[in-house]
Amino acid sequence: GAVVSQHPSWVICKSGTSVKIECRSLDFQATTMFWYRQFPKQSLMLMATSNEGSKATYEQGVEKDKFLINHASLTLSTLTVTSAHPEDSSFYICSAKGSGSNQETQYFGPGTRLLVL
Amino acid sequence: DAKTTQPTSMDCAEGRAANLPCNHSTISGNEYVYWYRQIHSQGPQYIIHGLKNNETNEMASLIITEDRKSSTLILPHATLRDTAVYYCIVRLTGTASKLTFGTGTRLQVTL
Repeated sequence: GAVVSQHPSWVICKSGTSVKIECRSLDFQATTMFWYRQFPKQSLMLMATSNEGSKATYEQGVEKDKFLINHASLTLSTLTVTSAHPEDSSFYICSAKGSGSNQETQYFGPGTRLLVL
Repeated sequence: DAKTTQPTSMDCAEGRAANLPCNHSTISGNEYVYWYRQIHSQGPQYIIHGLKNNETNEMASLIITEDRKSSTLILPHATLRDTAVYYCIVRLTGTASKLTFGTGTRLQVTL
């Protein structure tokens, strides 16, 4: 099956700093990538959708200036949490959807756990 | 996208079949039924999807009723590693569509 990776898997940062999370599709070209957030004991919440070369579309209530998304190539998307605060601590998960046989199915990365102190 | 209803939790003995139901009574004709699972502290894993016909792959079988208002995911021989939260999601076709996760069913496989 299609493989999506994320880096880093764990990150701890101080309040006020920015953190960048990478999401890569390893064996297919991802025309669309999605970013989700999951708080403890809750389900995944979609944050934004990005298409390669276009600006991301954010879900209602998600601050686009705080969560910067770049999808510059067909295999890489990044999420930058700017000026992170403790309430941003969460499990961030990306997923990717491609073309051809992978067009309709979203494949998920392993997630990045962010802890803001 | 149509909403889905799943039981909050289920238990299954190891080696037995696990049958996970999902109700999607408002599904429309161009919406697929997708199943994912999330093992603790990992990203969701794709299991299977279908439109009208029953589907089977190396992981599971998906049985969709004739009226498409409900479906059942079947894990034929559950193992302890199948303990996870299972999500049934109805999604439109097309590149603009997205997956919306509900609360899923927590499946506990026991010895």
